[in-house]
Amino acid sequence: KQEVTQIPAALSVPEGENLVLNCSFTDSAIYNLQWFRQDPGKGLTSLLLIQSSQREQTSGRLNASLDKSSGRSTLYIAASQPGDSATYLCAVRLVWSGGFKTIFGAGTRLFVKA
Amino acid sequence: EAGVAQSPRYKIIEKRQSVAFWCNPISGHATLYWYQQILGQGPKLLIQFQNNGVVDDSQLPKDRFSAERLKGVDSTLKIQPAKLEDSAVYLCASSRNRPNTEAFFGQGTRLTVV
Repeated sequence: KQEVTQIPAALSVPEGENLVLNCSFTDSAIYNLQWFRQDPGKGLTSLLLIQSSQREQTSGRLNASLDKSSGRSTLYIAASQPGDSATYLCAVRLVWSGGFKTIFGAGTRLFVKA
Repeated sequence: EAGVAQSPRYKIIEKRQSVAFWCNPISGHATLYWYQQILGQGPKLLIQFQNNGVVDDSQLPKDRFSAERLKGVDSTLKIQPAKLEDSAVYLCASSRNRPNTEAFFGQGTRLTVV
């Protein structure tokens, strides 16, 4: 059974700091891994999608890496800003009963202090 | 490309009442998901449709929850009767039926059961 774990559960940093969020999964047979941002009371906004054949993806100040063999992904946020405060969720996509399924971690709640 | 539409955005009901949520996926997306997100947790998959057939409903509390996807497009999720622990955000997502593709999420419906 695939399990997705995110560490830390919560993180508070001063503005300008570089930070790393971690995601681990138990089954390496995934198709892709996706990082989402969720603001309080809102839906999910996709940040980065890494295909299983890729090692990393970059978008602006965000960089996500994927190591399938060790079952790990990291989301690196450079020069953090108060506007980055949100919950960050990682999700893995895998084969399931003839279709595909997306399983989420519990998320990391990030607070960036001005 | 229009996103995933959900309604209502918010709903407050008393326990033992019934409630229904509606989702319109992105056009052409064969796969539709309903997730339940309890405060402080990651989204949990309730049910997954492939066109109008159910692929996975293993975590759906079938004694009170039901879902349908008529004609393989729109979907409704119903709870009857509701319990206090059903208070959560209900997220609908859709994707193409391909392995290396991403899921797109709606804004969610926040349900409060009092």
